[in-house]
Amino acid sequence: SQQGEEDPQALSIQEGENATMNCSYKTSINNLQWYRQNSGRGLVHLILIRSNEREKHSGRLRVTLDTSKKSSSLLITASRAADTASYFCATDYRGGSEKLVFGKGTKLTVNP
Amino acid sequence: DTAVSQTPKYLVTQMGNDKSIKCEQNLGHDTMYWYKQDSKKFLKIMFSYNNKELIINETVPNRFSPKSPDKAHLNLHINSLELGDSAVYFCASSQRRAGGPDTQYFGPGTRLTVL
Repeated sequence: SQQGEEDPQALSIQEGENATMNCSYKTSINNLQWYRQNSGRGLVHLILIRSNEREKHSGRLRVTLDTSKKSSSLLITASRAADTASYFCATDYRGGSEKLVFGKGTKLTVNP
Repeated sequence: DTAVSQTPKYLVTQMGNDKSIKCEQNLGHDTMYWYKQDSKKFLKIMFSYNNKELIINETVPNRFSPKSPDKAHLNLHINSLELGDSAVYFCASSQRRAGGPDTQYFGPGTRLTVL
């Protein structure tokens, strides 16, 4: 399977703590993207990181990419209850068709 | 203004019926997609159109037929609905560029329940 695999599958933390989610994939990629999905809603794009980048920041989000290990991590700092959602990584495979392959997601619960 | 909109939001129907889901985007993007999200939240691409041309057609039963009348619209018609078609269907759009798929903007989803 080409899909990314996030871990953990579920994560429960207290407000103010940091949350780290990981994504592993199997073949060389052009880009890796992270999306958030609130319950009952569509996915919202968070960050795109290119294969020649190692780290990217956006507000309280920090994404790293290690192409040698074929893995990425998403760090949310100082979490808030509103960060409660499912988080998905998505990859597009070099030499593959123009599609994103989504992982199964990490369900994050931030308790107030 | 809603960037990517889908109708209907909920669809409940009997097995064997034919139904359509409509999608429209006002972002000026040239590429649109249909995804299926199952009960375990696994999201899988079904189809993609670029400027009304089909560019991705995953292994989907031919009961599913996408139609793109123009680059702002992508509809999904499903014939002879089966129980296993129950899922949430998402439309998305993006701008095609060299170097891989760009950021995708998702609609709110259509929850299809087949009884």
